[in-house]
Amino acid sequence: DGGITQSPKYLFRKEGQNVTLSCEQNLNHDAMYWYRQDPGQGLRLIYYSQIVNDFQKGDIAEGYSVSREKKESFPLTVTSAQKNPTAFYLCASSPDRVGVSPQHFGDGTRLSIL
Amino acid sequence: AQSVTQLGSHVSVSEGALVLLRCNYSSSVPPYLFWYVQYPNQGLQLLLKYTSAATLVKGINGFEAEFKKSETSFHLTKPSAHMSDAAEYFCAVRPSNFGNEKLTFGTGTRLTIIP
Repeated sequence: DGGITQSPKYLFRKEGQNVTLSCEQNLNHDAMYWYRQDPGQGLRLIYYSQIVNDFQKGDIAEGYSVSREKKESFPLTVTSAQKNPTAFYLCASSPDRVGVSPQHFGDGTRLSIL
Repeated sequence: AQSVTQLGSHVSVSEGALVLLRCNYSSSVPPYLFWYVQYPNQGLQLLLKYTSAATLVKGINGFEAEFKKSETSFHLTKPSAHMSDAAEYFCAVRPSNFGNEKLTFGTGTRLTIIP
């Protein structure tokens, strides 16, 4: 079955450490997204990519970085510059860049600080 | 610019009763509107979407929503609540014009079903 796989499900970060969250999709979708979810705040867009080797900042990109070297992969790095990284991170994808198709979501990675 | 307001962060209904979750939007161009459901520690699943066709939209699990332009609303309803409907629900909006694909989400409504 096609879908979006996020790993790991749970991740712990030490102070000053960078961590990378994995997102892989086998849906052949062009667009991929990273969201951060905090209690009571809904989902906020971190980065998105509409095509391989291109990505744009979302609403809360500071302290995060991404790459899109392959169509099926869109990893997110939470850097030490992100001072409040504890949150639930969701990866999503869409079939194309301009259509009305909604986004499909992975099951998330929960990041906590040690 | 666009925004979504979900009235009521928590809603409780009895099993078998009507479910009504409220969503009002603001958008400078005609919107596309979505409802998603999230179960604990999982991602979001699409319930239904409005993309400028019929104003009454039917989705999965017996849910439906009606787009009312005059009221800038897109409320989610289900005639009879089931225990399995307990989850968090998110309304989302995006502009319908070309080149602007970003979804803006509401803050969510947690639905509790009382046995």
